[in-house]
Amino acid sequence: SAVISQKPSRDICQRGTSLTIQCQVDSQVTMMFWYRQQPGQSLTLIATANQGSEATYESGFVIDKFPISRPNLTFSTLTVSNMSPEDSSIYLCSVSETGEAEAFFGQGTRLTVV
Amino acid sequence: GQNIDQPTEMTATEGAIVQINCTYQTSGFNGLFWYQQHAGEAPTFLSYNVLDGLEEKGRFSSFLSRSKGYSYLLLKELQMKDSASYLCAVTDSWGKLQFGAGTQVVVTP
Repeated sequence: SAVISQKPSRDICQRGTSLTIQCQVDSQVTMMFWYRQQPGQSLTLIATANQGSEATYESGFVIDKFPISRPNLTFSTLTVSNMSPEDSSIYLCSVSETGEAEAFFGQGTRLTVV
Repeated sequence: GQNIDQPTEMTATEGAIVQINCTYQTSGFNGLFWYQQHAGEAPTFLSYNVLDGLEEKGRFSSFLSRSKGYSYLLLKELQMKDSASYLCAVTDSWGKLQFGAGTQVVVTP
């Protein structure tokens, strides 16, 4: 199974600032995704990180707010821009291989915006 | 889009059995997953069903009926460490998951 390192594990940020979250995988993977888990709620898919091209965003999420990079098959970043307290959530990176059922999750980044 | 429903909370006694139901309505279907999530931790994979029937893995079993849009996760011989949130998720393409709200299972002594 893939080992996923996500950094930072937690952060407290001032409103109006931006935070970039990194996701590093120990092997090349086909698919990388970013999810958000708001307090007391389940996971919501933000976007699919595409290697070498723009990410594919789900309804309700836009590139200006959540820019994503994926320069290669083992690394991706998610930036939460111009943060407000409503962005306080856990952000999770997930990976899977084409044809493989299981999706693996990083440990998550717990973000608090004050 | 997907609509995925599961109960909010269930309580059971240590050593007992609990069944968590999940119903879904989807525009596409490529499998149903169950994940376990302890508070403050990432979800961990429990099971995957793509064909109708029962998949058994130790104390955990998962069942799927595609015609009914229905799945359940069965937890046997409950242990205190099984107290967690259990997430039902449906995929219409590899790796891209739509999650239900989760079922909080509380195991009591």
